[in-house]
Amino acid sequence: ETGVTQTPRHLVMGMTNKKSLKCEQHLGHNAMYWYKQSAKKPLELMFVYNFKEQTENNSVPSRFSPECPNSSHLFLHLHTLQPEDSALYLCASSQDSRSYNEQFFGPGTRLTVL
Amino acid sequence: AQSVAQPEDQVNVAEGNPLTVKCTYSVSGNPYLFWYVQYPNRGLQFLLKYITGDNLVKGSYGFEAEFNKSQTSFHLKKPSALVSDSALYFCAVRDGDRGNQFYFGTGTSLTVIP
Repeated sequence: ETGVTQTPRHLVMGMTNKKSLKCEQHLGHNAMYWYKQSAKKPLELMFVYNFKEQTENNSVPSRFSPECPNSSHLFLHLHTLQPEDSALYLCASSQDSRSYNEQFFGPGTRLTVL
Repeated sequence: AQSVAQPEDQVNVAEGNPLTVKCTYSVSGNPYLFWYVQYPNRGLQFLLKYITGDNLVKGSYGFEAEFNKSQTSFHLKKPSALVSDSALYFCAVRDGDRGNQFYFGTGTSLTVIP
């Protein structure tokens, strides 16, 4: 459970605010992911980083901006969000993005956009 | 297109009875299949996976799953349910021949009744 940590655990922000979500993995993995989890919907993959390089961007609006300074840290910068962006944002890591290894998830950040 | 279907939003089972959580998938290439569990306010935890070999896969906490290629299914099972098994269960598939994305189902909420 402590292999992947996320901060903050809860975030309430207005539509004009700028905030950042942080993820850190202590597993020595080389791939990191951002997912959006909304009720009654499949997990939506947002971004994938493999060895610090972004390899996937699933048509995510530009108000979400990822940053991966090293293989252990992943950020999601948020600005001018919409109420429909309220969700649980999950970070995950795996050995690398091209293998069949399972992903390890953090506890998530519960985001509410007012 | 790759996809996963979990046809049941909710499964109820009495403690001590066998449980089954259903999953069917669609991929173009070889399927890599995964089950994850999510407890309240927690991230997803890996339970088991099928990559190749024996169709019956055993995983954590006494869970197992059977890969059925002809029916494109990967149902999760446990011989005797515990109250502590109550959680949200996600099936995921990955195309082993191309791409690096995981495709998740919408989740099945399992309630084990004492």
